[in-house]
Amino acid sequence: NAGVTQTPKFQVLKTGQSMTLQCAQDMNHNSMYWYRQDPGMGLRLIYYSASEGTTDKGEVPNGYNVSRLNKREFSLRLESAAPSQTSVYFCASSYRGDYGYTFGSGTRLTVV
Amino acid sequence: TQLLEQSPQFLSIQEGENLTVYCNSSSVFSSLQWYRQEPGEGPVLLVTVVTGGEVKKLKRLTFQFGDARKDSSLHITAAQPGDTGLYLCAGALESGGSNYKLTFGKGTLLTVNP
Repeated sequence: NAGVTQTPKFQVLKTGQSMTLQCAQDMNHNSMYWYRQDPGMGLRLIYYSASEGTTDKGEVPNGYNVSRLNKREFSLRLESAAPSQTSVYFCASSYRGDYGYTFGSGTRLTVV
Repeated sequence: TQLLEQSPQFLSIQEGENLTVYCNSSSVFSSLQWYRQEPGEGPVLLVTVVTGGEVKKLKRLTFQFGDARKDSSLHITAAQPGDTGLYLCAGALESGGSNYKLTFGKGTLLTVNP
């Protein structure tokens, strides 16, 4: 019953540092997504992968890169963290997006 | 411009009261979903509606999809403190093709006081 697993749960970075957020799903879902959630802004799509081997930009991709490592894993990389990237990051997966997403429990990132 | 507008943004009620949350758009959706998010957790899918006029019930929660598939409502009967959370609507645009991206509303933060 793991569903979508995100690591780490919390992270503090200094401006300019890099890090990778990891996401893995065990539901054999085709599509995976990365969102950020900020107060008053709602959930905003950063990148998504409709199927293994493909990735596409979402609404707010600047400053981020992604890798769909295999069908299970989809990672999000911040190459040079900025304070504006302080947020809660959610990974989600779906068999088909219009059937609904399963979300992970989030990574709370603070960039100082 | 927000594609999906949710109202109200905040709602604080007493236990036992009824409430309705709305999700509106000028766009047509092939499906619309409702999620509940509790503090420190990710959103959890409550329901998906796909047919115009469709009504689904989940215990004390009633979900309705508008006839034109542009809007939806969530009605809670006799709210309980356990219903407290952020309620999000999300839709798959009919014009979105096969990329299956969802558009999310900003949410309604519901607080049910004992």
